[in-house]
Amino acid sequence: DTGVSQDPRHKITKRGQNVTFRCDPISEHNRLYWYRQTLGQGPEFLTYFQNEAQLEKSRLLSDRFSAERPKGSFSTLEIQRTEQGDSAMYLCASSLGVAGDGELFFGEGSRLTVL
Amino acid sequence: GENVEQHPSTLSVQEGDSAVIKCTYSDSASNYFPWYKQELGKRPQLIIDIRSNVGEKKDQRIAVTLNKTAKHFSLHITETQPEDSAVYFCAAVGYDKVIFGPGTSLSVIP
Repeated sequence: DTGVSQDPRHKITKRGQNVTFRCDPISEHNRLYWYRQTLGQGPEFLTYFQNEAQLEKSRLLSDRFSAERPKGSFSTLEIQRTEQGDSAMYLCASSLGVAGDGELFFGEGSRLTVL
Repeated sequence: GENVEQHPSTLSVQEGDSAVIKCTYSDSASNYFPWYKQELGKRPQLIIDIRSNVGEKKDQRIAVTLNKTAKHFSLHITETQPEDSAVYFCAAVGYDKVIFGPGTSLSVIP
């Protein structure tokens, strides 16, 4: 499968624990985006990378959230000291160029449940 | 801040009827308007898009219209089929900033 892959697909954790999600974009795509989606809502922007550079972070992204893309390929999203309000689907997407030039290709998401 | 509104939030139609979903956006810099379909438990996938220099675009049973002056754009699905049942998201894109609407859950009743 040459699409965007995310791991793990599901994560259940206790409040206060740290979790990390991984995203492998389509190999030639230089842009990588992280979104959060809750039930009944559209994807909500969190942050994005051009190659290894993190170009923008949403104001919604508290200091408990950190994302990296160290070699410009895969990316990780870490949530420290998880809270119940962090429960959501975390979607990763990649694109070949700027988002305004064409399609975002989404992964199947990592569903987080914080107990 | 930038915002995309989408209506209706839920829509039920009989198989064969048409479905229309409408979106409005606030960011004047938006110049690209994609529509994504998300089936239950699956990833969002692009179904059609339109750029700001075009007023209408059609692809088989799906069409999108754009009124840039009014900051409105709409998705039209004709001859709906049960497999059209999904959540549809509109989005407004300015360069790298992609703002999604809250989604419309479409149910096509056989």
